Amino acid sequence: EDQVTQSPEALRLQEGESSSLNCSYTVSGLRGLFWYRQDPGKGPEFLFTLYSAGEEKEKERLKATLTKKESFLHITAPKPEDSATYLCAVKETSGSRLTFGEGTQLTVNP
Amino acid sequence: ETGVTQSPTHLIKTRGQQVTLRCSSQSGHNTVSWYQQALGQGPQFIFQYYREEENGRGNFPPRFSGLQFPNYSSELNVNALELDDSALYLCASSRDPKTEAFFGQGTRLTVV
Repeated sequence: EDQVTQSPEALRLQEGESSSLNCSYTVSGLRGLFWYRQDPGKGPEFLFTLYSAGEEKEKERLKATLTKKESFLHITAPKPEDSATYLCAVKETSGSRLTFGEGTQLTVNP
Repeated sequence: ETGVTQSPTHLIKTRGQQVTLRCSSQSGHNTVSWYQQALGQGPQFIFQYYREEENGRGNFPPRFSGLQFPNYSSELNVNALELDDSALYLCASSRDPKTEAFFGQGTRLTVV
């Protein structure tokens, strides 16, 4: 059974203080690893898809990387508007479902 | 391009009642998935529909059912509501079952 573990559960940063979120996964065969951002009471917003180890993707202050066992979401010089819950999910090669982690709640203070 | 839209946004039902939630998929998408998200947790997969056929189901009882229409919009039906069914219900659409999914804003269901 696919498993996704995210750490830390919550992270509080000062504006401009860079950090990383971790997503560890177990899957029989990885089709893709997905990162989403979710604001309170809203649906998840798609950020990135990573398909193979060594792949990296960037969007503004966010950079996602992938190894065979984990993914990192690096946040460079965050701003208060980056505050949200960041969700990681995997999809296996033979399946249709996304298996999500519990998320990391990020708070960026001005 | 219109994104994924869900209705209603909020709903309050009594235990034992039945509810129908609706989802319009993004233009060009033929796959719709439904997820249940309890407070403080990650979304849990309920089922997926691809070209009007069920294409995978999660660990939910048969009282959770759904369908997809020829225009690829979808419904989620829940019978015999229980208090634990209170959650945010998310619909996601994708170009096909293999590609990234785009979520709607969700329906907040409260069972009292």
